[in-house]
Amino acid sequence: GAVVSQHPSWVICKSGTSVKIECRSLDFQATTMFWYRQFPKQSLMLMATSNEGSKATYEQGVEKDKFLINHASLTLSTLTVTSAHPEDSSFYICSAPSTGSEAFFGQGTRLTVV
Amino acid sequence: DAKTTQPNSMESNEEEPVHLPCNHSTISGTDYIHWYRQLPSQGPEYVIHGLTSNVNNRMASLAIAEDRKSSTLILHRATLRDAAVYYCLPGGTSYGKLTFGQGTILTVHP
Repeated sequence: GAVVSQHPSWVICKSGTSVKIECRSLDFQATTMFWYRQFPKQSLMLMATSNEGSKATYEQGVEKDKFLINHASLTLSTLTVTSAHPEDSSFYICSAPSTGSEAFFGQGTRLTVV
Repeated sequence: DAKTTQPNSMESNEEEPVHLPCNHSTISGTDYIHWYRQLPSQGPEYVIHGLTSNVNNRMASLAIAEDRKSSTLILHRATLRDAAVYYCLPGGTSYGKLTFGQGTILTVHP
């Protein structure tokens, strides 16, 4: 089946630095990808919709200048957490819809800001 | 998106069937019912989906009430690897843009 790969699986960074997370669709093209965030013991919350070749669409309350999304190709979307702070520590997950009936999710990236 | 109600948690013994209920009384007539599950420290994975008829696949069965206001995910023989959070997601056709509720935490005992 189709696979979505995220990298890195986990990352620890210092407060004030930026972190880039990659999301790749390995065997299919994805003009749209989605980025979610999940805090401990909570459900997934949609952050933004990544659109290939155009600006991302952010959900209400998500700072677009803090969470930079780039979708430069049909198989790659990146999420950059800029000037990260401890409250940005979370589990970040991307997904891409298939041409069928299901969405494929990456394995997630555990971000810890110290 | 339709509002969903799922039990916070359920428990099962290994090799026994598990019935995971979901109420979605505000679902629209054209919304499919999707089920995903999330294993610990992983991204969600698709389980099954349906519209009106009951559905079966290699992972599970989906029983949809005639009025479509509720559905039940059936795992025929639970294994330890089925321990996960199960999400019921009635929604539109924007697959991938999914609105997750709290889901049901399934614990499987050996």
